[in-house]
Amino acid sequence: DGGITQSPKYLFRKEGQNVTLSCEQNLNHDAMYWYRQDPGQGLRLIYYSQIVNDFQKGDIAEGYSVSREKKESFPLTVTSAQKNPTAFYLCASSPDRINEQFFGPGTRLTVL
Amino acid sequence: AQSVSQHNHHVILSEAASLELGCNYSYGGTVNLFWYVQYPGQHLQLLLKYFSGDPLVKGIKGFEAEFIKSKFSFNLRKPSVQWSDTAEYFCAVNILTGGGNKLTFGTGTQLKVEL
Repeated sequence: DGGITQSPKYLFRKEGQNVTLSCEQNLNHDAMYWYRQDPGQGLRLIYYSQIVNDFQKGDIAEGYSVSREKKESFPLTVTSAQKNPTAFYLCASSPDRINEQFFGPGTRLTVL
Repeated sequence: AQSVSQHNHHVILSEAASLELGCNYSYGGTVNLFWYVQYPGQHLQLLLKYFSGDPLVKGIKGFEAEFIKSKFSFNLRKPSVQWSDTAEYFCAVNILTGGGNKLTFGTGTQLKVEL
């Protein structure tokens, strides 16, 4: 089955700890994206990558970091610098910058 | 900065009622337009999209949307909703420029269909 997997589904961390969220796709898509979804705010872009070894900041990149060492993988690290990290995080991919994005099931991060 | 507005945040309808969800964007150039749906506990998935051509586009599950360029709108419609349409609906606008593109989402509309 082709698709996007995110793990884990639920994640709990203590305040001050960095945490890395996994995103893997087997759709052979060049572009990958990370969004944060909060109630009443829609989806906000954190980082995106159009190609391996290249990525760009989105609208709310502060406190987050990413890497794109492989085409199929785009992990997101939520650092201790992120002031309000508790949220639902969605990963997406698309074949190029124009076409629709395909979304993973999301990871719900709770920082205690 | 470009923005996408969904004016209805919560909509409650009875089964068989007609649905129209508004979506407006603020950008005068070339755009691609999307409606996504998030059913409870499921992935965000594409309902329909508009790139060019006929401004009335049909999507899955009987949904359709009309692109009105002069009004910067892309409203979603369904003539008769079902209980299974209960979900959150997101409008998204992909703004195409020479230097890149950006997909901007609206804040979403939570639809509840009652039996």
